[in-house]
This record gives sequence, C-alpha cells and structure tokens, in this order.
Amino acid sequence: NAGVTQTPKFRVLKTGQSMTLLCAQDMNHEYMYWYRQDPGMGLRLIHYSVGEGTTAKGEVPDGYNVSRLKKQNFLLGLESAAPSQTSVYFCASSYSPEVSNFGDGTRLSIL
Amino acid sequence: GIQVEQSPPDLILQEGANSTLRCNFSDSVNNLQWFHQNPWGQLINLFYIPSGTKQNGRLSATTVATERYSLLYISSSQTTDSGVYFCAVNYGGSQGNLIFGKGTKLSVKP
Repeated sequence: NAGVTQTPKFRVLKTGQSMTLLCAQDMNHEYMYWYRQDPGMGLRLIHYSVGEGTTAKGEVPDGYNVSRLKKQNFLLGLESAAPSQTSVYFCASSYSPEVSNFGDGTRLSIL
Repeated sequence: GIQVEQSPPDLILQEGANSTLRCNFSDSVNNLQWFHQNPWGQLINLFYIPSGTKQNGRLSATTVATERYSLLYISSSQTTDSGVYFCAVNYGGSQGNLIFGKGTKLSVKP
C-alpha cells in the first residue's frame, strides 16, 4: 500500500517549458488536492477535485491546469513555467473533506 | 478572506519539556486540522478538530470555536517532535480546501 505517490520528486525546468506532475493514490479516495509550499509559508491550495472527472480552483490557480480522468490519478500541469512557480508541490487525498494523506512532495525549480 | 495566525513562530525546547502552540482564526470555521511537517518535509495529519478536545499519546488539541482559537499541546517532548506545526482551517463549503497558517517551527534539543 503506497498511499499517495508523487512523480517526479525533483525537477529543474527552464522558463517557458511545460511539464506535468503526477499524483497517484491507491486508497480509493474521492478527494484530491494540489498545494504549493514556498519558504517560510504554509501550504496554499492550487486546485482540487471531489471526484473523478471534476476539478475546481483553489487559492492560487493561475498558471496551472489539472485533470482527474481516473479516480486514482490527479495531474497538475504547467503550460509555460515561470520562475514564480519555483516551489515544493504537495498532493493530498482523503475520503472526506478532512485532508488526511499527503505525498512526499515534488521540488520544482524554474530557471 | 479568513486569516490564520500561529504563535509562536519559533520555539526551542529541551527534551522532556512541555509546550503549547496556538492558532487563532478570524472567522467561523467548519474544519480545523493540525499537521506536523518533519525535517525531511513530510506532512502528517495530527488532528481533525473543529471543536472540542482530542488526545493522541503525548499530543492533545483543543479548539474553542466560539472564541476562534485552537491549541496544540505537546507533553514530554522528544527530538522526533522537531519540525513545523501547521494549523489549517476551512470556512466555506465542504470540499476540504484548507487555509494554512505559517506554522510554528519547533526544535527539541537533546
């Protein structure tokens, strides 16, 4: 039982490049979330999903897109990476609005 | 929007000491959670506590929703308690979109 798995763990991009972060959970959870964490800050919600095929904007959605085509996967896309998107990205999942399981994070640097 | 303030921002303890971390929020909430981020960056859900008191081993939490604050108590601290403790609240809807405080950084010295 892997819980919440994030891929990749580290990535360096150049400004303007695109990439997709993958979050996979094996707990059959309905709710999935993408957060970003900047130095000295708490987490801020980017996008979330309350079930397969649904997505919604969080606190800081600009510059990101998401998809939830399969219940177990939640993808976060950066279409044109900017240095301001340098951050640590966390995915989380839960069976209720109580957020319960986090992935180990993806450290992303945009040069 | 809702404001979540945590205090103190930093705390240094000797192993075995007790501590209290505070979380104040500026509006009514329907979900409050405490998380621990260890020195390796991993986030662990400690408590879901929109009101009342809960205990889990050496940790306990109390939320007084009418006065808009929550407290996290750590007793007999251990070096493994080091890290950052976050309070997070949800005040609208039911989808668990949490607003996090900036955290309390705890260092427990042996």
